[in-house]
Amino acid sequence: DQQVKQNSPSLSVQEGRISILNCDYTNSMFDYFLWYKKYPAEGPTFLISISSIKDKNEDGRFTVFLNKSAKHLSLHIVPSQPGDSAVYFCAARRRTGANNLFFGTGTRLTVIP
Amino acid sequence: DGGITQSPKYLFRKEGQNVTLSCEQNLNHDAMYWYRQDPGQGLRLIYYSQIVNDFQKGDIAEGYSVSREKKESFPLTVTSAQKNPTAFYLCASSSQGSNQPQHFGDGTRLSIL
Repeated sequence: DQQVKQNSPSLSVQEGRISILNCDYTNSMFDYFLWYKKYPAEGPTFLISISSIKDKNEDGRFTVFLNKSAKHLSLHIVPSQPGDSAVYFCAARRRTGANNLFFGTGTRLTVIP
Repeated sequence: DGGITQSPKYLFRKEGQNVTLSCEQNLNHDAMYWYRQDPGQGLRLIYYSQIVNDFQKGDIAEGYSVSREKKESFPLTVTSAQKNPTAFYLCASSSQGSNQPQHFGDGTRLSIL
């Protein structure tokens, strides 16, 4: 049962425009959400996170929005750059229990120069 | 530089053999994790350890074993009981406490000959 879902396997965006990656979750016990970026044959790199007590967190060109009522979060990248081309994973952690993460299946972002 | 080192990067195994994947971290993190990634899927948790000499099964622990004798090291053994071992294996670590992201190594790709 996939508790974290990324329904768009791929996304293409022109350089300089906004990239919006979406993620939905089903477990109301999740309280901490993260986005990771992954290049082929490398491990995921942590990008940005958000606690469930917030609805927005910003770090440079990256902003994560959380809509708890809709169980939805999104990652905005503005402006998009060719180096942003990678697979982006959304992940979530439960409020109780261990710190292990539940991952979505990823969205491949291609930024076209 | 602090980080997580996984070795080897590529590993081949004959059917019926056990094989051990190495994971070492010098981040002074208490918690360590093993994930498996298959094509088109998100990361799935195999085992995790929150402190030395203690570890817990994740979602897909069958056919795997781990040990945590030192804080820095969390080796994963893929046993002959694992029916479909070909995958990309990722090790991660994190500090204890709330809202601490996991940091990943660059992975080991295991293939069956």
